[in-house]
This record gives sequence, C-alpha cells and structure tokens, in this order.
Amino acid sequence: QKEVEQDPGPLSVPEGAIVSLNCTYSNSAFQYFMWYRQYSRKGPELLMYTYSSGNKEDGRFTAQVDKSSKYISLFIRDSQPSDSATYLCAMEGFSSGSARQLTFGSGTQLTVLP
Amino acid sequence: DVKVTQSSRYLVKRTGEKVFLECVQDMDHENMFWYRQDPGLGLRLIYFSYDVKMKEKGDIPEGYSVSREKKERFSLILESASTNQTSMYLCASSSVGREQYFGPGTRLTVT
Repeated sequence: QKEVEQDPGPLSVPEGAIVSLNCTYSNSAFQYFMWYRQYSRKGPELLMYTYSSGNKEDGRFTAQVDKSSKYISLFIRDSQPSDSATYLCAMEGFSSGSARQLTFGSGTQLTVLP
Repeated sequence: DVKVTQSSRYLVKRTGEKVFLECVQDMDHENMFWYRQDPGLGLRLIYFSYDVKMKEKGDIPEGYSVSREKKERFSLILESASTNQTSMYLCASSSVGREQYFGPGTRLTVT
C-alpha cells in the first residue's frame, strides 16, 4: 500500500464548476501538507501549504486537512481553463537535519473545459 | 522570486554513458533535492543535500550519485545510464524547515 493515495483521474469539468481533489495517507506522523500544480512539461509549483487540521483559503483555492481521517482536499471554486493541470498532493516525511522529505501523491490530471 | 534552473530541458543519451544533470538555485537555500517523475508513480526522491558536501539517500538512490561542492549547485550523476532511467528529473530547493521550490525539469531519454 502506498503511503499517499491520490486518484489519478483524468478529471474533466466545465468552466465555473467547483472541483474537489483528494488524497488519503496512512502515515500518522505527517504534519505538513502541500498542494502543487504542474502544467504540462513544467516543474511543480507550490499552490497551498498547511500544517494543521482545518481549512486554509487563498483566492479561489481552499485546502482542507482532516488528520483524524488522514484525508486532505483541495477545492477550486469557479474553475477556469487556466486551472487545467496536474495537481499533486505532498506530505512531510521524516526530517533529516533541516531538510524536510516529502512524500507525493501520483497526481490528478484536471481539465477545465471552456 | 525563487529561481531554480536546470541545465537542460531535454537530453538524449546512450546506454552506458555517464550523464550529468545540473541544478542551480539563486535563493541561498540550504537544502536541495533530486526527484524523478514517472507516470502513475508520482515524484520519487533520489537524493537530497542539506549542506555543502553533505548528501543523503532518498527512496531510490540506486544507479545515481550526487555532488554538492557549492551551496547553489547540486548535480545528479548517472554513472552508467540505462533505459530504465528514462524519466523526468526534477530538482528542488528549500530553506530550513520551509517548502520546496522546483525547477522546470529535465526530460532524459536513454536509448
């Protein structure tokens, strides 16, 4: 069993829809949770970064963490064609010195249709 | 803005060649990382470094080595490239206890 499970999709939605992307994890030691967005042929870019249970909002994006259920979500409101990308969840593994090791989900490919 | 650059966007090498992938960051970050990304497998950590000349193995270090002689530069070396090392290679950097920032990636094909 993978430490982090993420539905690979692909997921297609019409413009303006609310998108929900999810990851589950098995390691209760994970403390920090991130969402990265990766456009085709580009490196991942950090979208959201949270370290506690609850919600964090940034514009049209909301990250939700439920540590008791080992479940994290990313919601995108009023989705736009420019949101079409692969979304990767990532969680902190153990830390060696100052370097946080991340464990990534396999990514969900999202297409927002105009 | 954080900038992480990688020496090549696309690279084609032959089996058995020694391959060098270079990564440079301009934010004085202590930590640097090398990942490979494959369809269905996500990003997997190869090696990371938390200081100059320091390195630690990640999840899949076999067939790879790294070098960090200067703080801003982290090199990934494929000692003898094999076809199963065909992949997208991503470099990242971070400051102490902070989030990682990624470069654009190098798509390596080994024939």
